[in-house]
Amino acid sequence: AQTVTQSQPEMSVQEAETVTLSCTYDTSESDYYLFWYKQPPSRQMILVIRQEAYKQQNATENRFSVNFQKAAKSFSLKISDSQLGDAAMYFCAYRETGANSKLTFGKGITLSVRP
Amino acid sequence: DTGVSQNPRHKITKRGQNVTFRCDPISEHNRLYWYRQTLGQGPEFLTYFQNEAQLEKSRLLSDRFSAERPKGSFSTLEIQRTEQGDSAMYLCASSLARDYEQYFGPGTRLTVT
Repeated sequence: AQTVTQSQPEMSVQEAETVTLSCTYDTSESDYYLFWYKQPPSRQMILVIRQEAYKQQNATENRFSVNFQKAAKSFSLKISDSQLGDAAMYFCAYRETGANSKLTFGKGITLSVRP
Repeated sequence: DTGVSQNPRHKITKRGQNVTFRCDPISEHNRLYWYRQTLGQGPEFLTYFQNEAQLEKSRLLSDRFSAERPKGSFSTLEIQRTEQGDSAMYLCASSLARDYEQYFGPGTRLTVT
């Protein structure tokens, strides 16, 4: 079974600085998708960024980028120029390709942003 | 607002009572998912539908849980004879069948006393 591990329960970053959130996963599949979701306090979960395993190029979305290391099964999220609105729980998630589209999530990390 | 909606947002019930939650997905999405999230944990998959067909159920979904999506639009999740361990946030998500982005609703927070 696939597992997703986020070993850092909390992180803090100064506004305008850069922070990296770590995630590792375990799978025997060669093709899959990886995601980072953001869950602000009392608000719904939204997709931040996604990565297809067959793509070697790391995904980027504005201030958000990933470092995807397939051999190491590592998938970290870098947030540049951190803003107060980035404060939230961040979940790393895995999804197989094909018909089964359920997401497997890590435990999440709480990110706080210091003004 | 054309996002995923869930009702009620909060539910407090006594142990042993039955509860039902509703999820309205984004209108053109034919896949609908239910997840459960307990405090300090990530969401865990419960079940999903493609149109009205329930295609997979997690072993987390005991016999007391049942989900339906009768017309391939909204879905209901019923928990019978609730237990304190059922206290959690129940999340619904929807997606297009061939698209891999799942859009989440705000969740229904269940408290069993």
